[in-house]
Amino acid sequence: GAGVSQSPSNKVTEKGKDVELRCDPISGHTALYWYRQSLGQGLEFLIYFQGNSAPDKSGLPSDRFSAERTGESVSTLTIQRTQQEDSAVYLCASSSPGMWETQYFGPGTRLLVL
Amino acid sequence: TQLLEQSPQFLSIQEGENLTVYCNSSSVFSSLQWYRQEPGEGPVLLVTVVTGGEVKKLKRLTFQFGDARKDSSLHITAAQPGDTGLYLCAGGYNFNKFYFGSGTKLNVKP
Repeated sequence: GAGVSQSPSNKVTEKGKDVELRCDPISGHTALYWYRQSLGQGLEFLIYFQGNSAPDKSGLPSDRFSAERTGESVSTLTIQRTQQEDSAVYLCASSSPGMWETQYFGPGTRLLVL
Repeated sequence: TQLLEQSPQFLSIQEGENLTVYCNSSSVFSSLQWYRQEPGEGPVLLVTVVTGGEVKKLKRLTFQFGDARKDSSLHITAAQPGDTGLYLCAGGYNFNKFYFGSGTKLNVKP
């Protein structure tokens, strides 16, 4: 594909339910990032994957949040037992080897927890 | 506590005016980036600066990295309605950590 894609684009769920958000990075991009953005605000780093190295999970806000990545392809961010404060836009970005500072962002998944 | 502070938070100006947005921190970064984000979309990278004192120009946009690599500014000359959006700065550490500012929401009125 031409760019980073994310699905679903919008997700409405009830408090306490689990959700899975998907990110398809640009082909060949070894680095993948997840961020969270509250309404009109800056981005909060969540997790970083680089190739087959152990991911940097230091930004995950609680143990309800987890993420996986299969090789250098698709990543899934899972939020268990969602809370209303989890409502935000979840953005995924990828970057290529040697160009780690140039992140290409997907359009995001807008999550609303009722 | 925000590692990067951006100011102003909101800016509403008339077409043709000039403006400057600031990004400040007490931390030293290996690089600093500016992004522009439109509603419903992800941020798009405008520029990366890596050297203290560096100045980069992108058409009507001028970016400067502070000498101590702790702060940066974005200056727009003769703003146009197409410049409207959320401007975000991000400081980079190593290869895997980027800290974003809270953003400046710019509205340019025709």
